[in-house]
Amino acid sequence: GAGVSQSPSNKVTEKGKDVELRCDPISGHTALYWYRQSLGQGLEFLIYFQGNSAPDKSGLPSDRFSAERTGGSVSTLTIQRTQQEDSAVYLCASSLVDRGTEAFFGQGTRLTVV
Amino acid sequence: GENVEQHPSTLSVQEGDSAVIKCTYSDSASNYFPWYKQELGKRPQLIIDIRSNVGEKKDQRIAVTLNKTAKHFSLHITETQPEDSAVYFCAAFFSGTYKYIFGTGTRLKVLA
Repeated sequence: GAGVSQSPSNKVTEKGKDVELRCDPISGHTALYWYRQSLGQGLEFLIYFQGNSAPDKSGLPSDRFSAERTGGSVSTLTIQRTQQEDSAVYLCASSLVDRGTEAFFGQGTRLTVV
Repeated sequence: GENVEQHPSTLSVQEGDSAVIKCTYSDSASNYFPWYKQELGKRPQLIIDIRSNVGEKKDQRIAVTLNKTAKHFSLHITETQPEDSAVYFCAAFFSGTYKYIFGTGTRLKVLA
């Protein structure tokens, strides 16, 4: 079946512009995560959605970052007034339940801020 | 706080030798510990996982061990092959906050 899908695959934007990154999780997966991976670095937790519960936004680095998940499925991560330090690969992952099962990753969106 | 430490950050081994990567976690309530492999330019993919009620799990050339008392777990790869070269991430699932927190990664190079 279809895996986690992210779009766009690559995004180049000018400093100061807003960007939206999209994640389509695996159908039926209630948990959705966003991570940021800077070049050669680890996976930095950004935000977590579980069903209809309030999202865990504790990893968002600044108020320029926000995310929403509509209808418990598709999620968008929005970065306002992008800065060069926002350049990274943004990975989305989804899992079936919230008790600890395999998280499946999308292919990521490579964001470059010039 | 929620933290996972991973060592070493880089590891080079000769083909056929074994590789060991170690992780520690901060929350004793963590109950699920996956390991992911990320090849260059690709997404992380699960290679093995272990739950807190198990001390060891093996799948062909890879194995994971868990010491709950010490709050650490390790990945063991035996008979390494060039295709094992990748970045490996450990993770802990924090059951109180439902978050996967990842280690900083280990870049493994298997030298032919």
